Amino acid sequence: GENVEQHPSTLSVQEGDSAVIKCTYSDSASNYFPWYKQELGKRPQLIIDIRSNVGEKKDQRIAVTLNKTAKHFSLHITETQPEDSAVYFCAAGLEGRRALTFGSGTRLQVQP
Amino acid sequence: DAGVTQSPTHLIKTRGQQVTLRCSPKSGHDTVSWYQQALGQGPQFIFQYYEEEERQRGNFPDRFSGHQFPNYSSELNVNALLLGDSALYLCASSSGRWETQYFGPGTRLLVL
Repeated sequence: GENVEQHPSTLSVQEGDSAVIKCTYSDSASNYFPWYKQELGKRPQLIIDIRSNVGEKKDQRIAVTLNKTAKHFSLHITETQPEDSAVYFCAAGLEGRRALTFGSGTRLQVQP
Repeated sequence: DAGVTQSPTHLIKTRGQQVTLRCSPKSGHDTVSWYQQALGQGPQFIFQYYEEEERQRGNFPDRFSGHQFPNYSSELNVNALLLGDSALYLCASSSGRWETQYFGPGTRLLVL
């Protein structure tokens, strides 16, 4: 089955800096890659996703890049703010099957 | 437009007991997936229901079973509870071939 590895497990940045979280996946057939943000005690919330027919997607301060050849994808957050502090999860899925395989999460701390 | 709802929010059980968790999908969604999230880890896929049938199952024992009702709501049942079943149980709903999965707030289960 699919295996998703995520790193780093913790990331601390200064407010205004950029943060990058990286994930690798094992199943070359996977073609859907969402990112979720989970604040303490709350539900995971989708922040951005990408499908394998594109290499990059942006939404304001957030961007995701995908390298299908290398089987890795990354989340980029620019101009970080304290409210970006949370645990971020990457996931991989296969169109038609819909089960998502999640990474182990990255705890992002943005220091004011 | 109501989002995904789950009940109860918290539950305490003892080993060997049985538990039923409930999920109502987001309005317009017809597919429900269940995930188990242990403390400090990413969600793990349990199973998915569509058209009242289990479509796909993750690596969980038969003690975990489910059901989907005609109104698309779903239940997760766990029999013969073990200490290791203590976790946050998340329900996610979606619709269509590759729509986003939206998570509910989860049910936190503690097995003593």
